[in-house]
Amino acid sequence: DSGVTQTPKHLITATGQRVTLRCSPRSGDLSVYWYQQSLDQGLQFLIQYYNGEERAKGNILERFSAQQFPDLHSELNLSSLELGDSALYFCASSVGIGITTDTQYFGPGTRLTVL
Amino acid sequence: AQSVTQLGSHVSVSEGALVLLRCNYSSSVPPYLFWYVQYPNQGLQLLLKYTTGATLVKGINGFEAEFKKSETSFHLTKPSAHMSDAAEYFCAVIFSGGGADGLTFGKGTHLIIQP
Repeated sequence: DSGVTQTPKHLITATGQRVTLRCSPRSGDLSVYWYQQSLDQGLQFLIQYYNGEERAKGNILERFSAQQFPDLHSELNLSSLELGDSALYFCASSVGIGITTDTQYFGPGTRLTVL
Repeated sequence: AQSVTQLGSHVSVSEGALVLLRCNYSSSVPPYLFWYVQYPNQGLQLLLKYTTGATLVKGINGFEAEFKKSETSFHLTKPSAHMSDAAEYFCAVIFSGGGADGLTFGKGTHLIIQP
């Protein structure tokens, strides 16, 4: 158990809909990262937040957005869902900003199925 | 373009045999390098990482990896495979030189252990 929690574990929805994925980082961690794992694209970095502010962006679509709240939990919002958005979405957390000094701890993921 | 390549989507070894999982990167600047393991239906767990210093890095569960700048490689090895090593292994890098960036992952290698 990494200490990172993600809810829900599974989510099934229809095309065109909007969903919100939630992540609670490990106690004391200030950085939250979001990743998408799909059969087509593999594991891709989406976005990072540090202490409530966006720090880095990866291959995140404009239909997707995220935020980190004062209590440091984070939410990933996916809208106008398409079949290709079906994937496993991981959240990871680390103490600080520096990947070279910090270890990213991954949650168990949320499996999103778009029908 | 900067990329990470894992040679072999599937690798099969006998229990007790040497495990060798290959990872190469393309970048003019040496990146920071990581190996993660993903067990079925679980998140990713850090095995080891190279940032600076000694190029032979030891990780958890008896794994180690060596950074070879001249070969742009970071292959993962374990002297004697155990049945519990069966999992998906991901090589990952940070190309930007550290800081607030996410990981770029290879496609993964599925390690199969034959009894």
